Amino acid sequence: KAGVTQTPRYLIKTRGQQVTLSCSPISGHRSVSWYQQTPGQGLQFLFEYFSETQRNKGNFPGRFSGRQFSNSRSEMNVSTLELGDSALYLCASSLERASGSADFGPGTRLTVT
Amino acid sequence: SQQGEEDPQALSIQEGENATMNCSYKTSINNLQWYRQNSGRGLVHLILIRSNEREKHSGRLRVTLDTSKKSSSLLITASRAADTASYFCATVYRTNDYKLSFGAGTTVTVRA
Repeated sequence: KAGVTQTPRYLIKTRGQQVTLSCSPISGHRSVSWYQQTPGQGLQFLFEYFSETQRNKGNFPGRFSGRQFSNSRSEMNVSTLELGDSALYLCASSLERASGSADFGPGTRLTVT
Repeated sequence: SQQGEEDPQALSIQEGENATMNCSYKTSINNLQWYRQNSGRGLVHLILIRSNEREKHSGRLRVTLDTSKKSSSLLITASRAADTASYFCATVYRTNDYKLSFGAGTTVTVRA
């Protein structure tokens, strides 16, 4: 089966700009979650989407938002970028809203200058 | 910040040796999972152990869970160079909690 795909893989933005990252889950998977990975804070949960609705949200400011489309593809948006937003953003998909394992994409490496 | 702690932070072993890493967490869990990450890439799920299980095996991997001590260990037997990676434990705290809370990870280097 095709895995979770994320685009773009690498991105360089300037402070104050906004960015949109995309995630296509494994075919048939309906739950998509996003995680931020930084050297200082490690892996942190951003949010989870299921049936086009945000079901769970991590402790991030409102500049971080997302959405899910009817085909389960998801996007996350970060507005007014800060240097501290530089991170690897990982998308994970699951078949249902089960508390089991997740399949992760390769990530999008965002650098904010 | 991470929800759990992993020990050690880094581990260097010779090919063929066993590697053991530990994970501690803070509150009761529904399940605990281990993931591997190669050099800043995506995470690969290795094994899931539920709160009512004490030990699970998958190939060269053995995971134990001690809920009384709120800790888990991952053992990789007969390590190979391809096992060089960072290993993370992740907890799910409630049955209807669909987020993973990750530890800081253990970086394992297997020397040929």
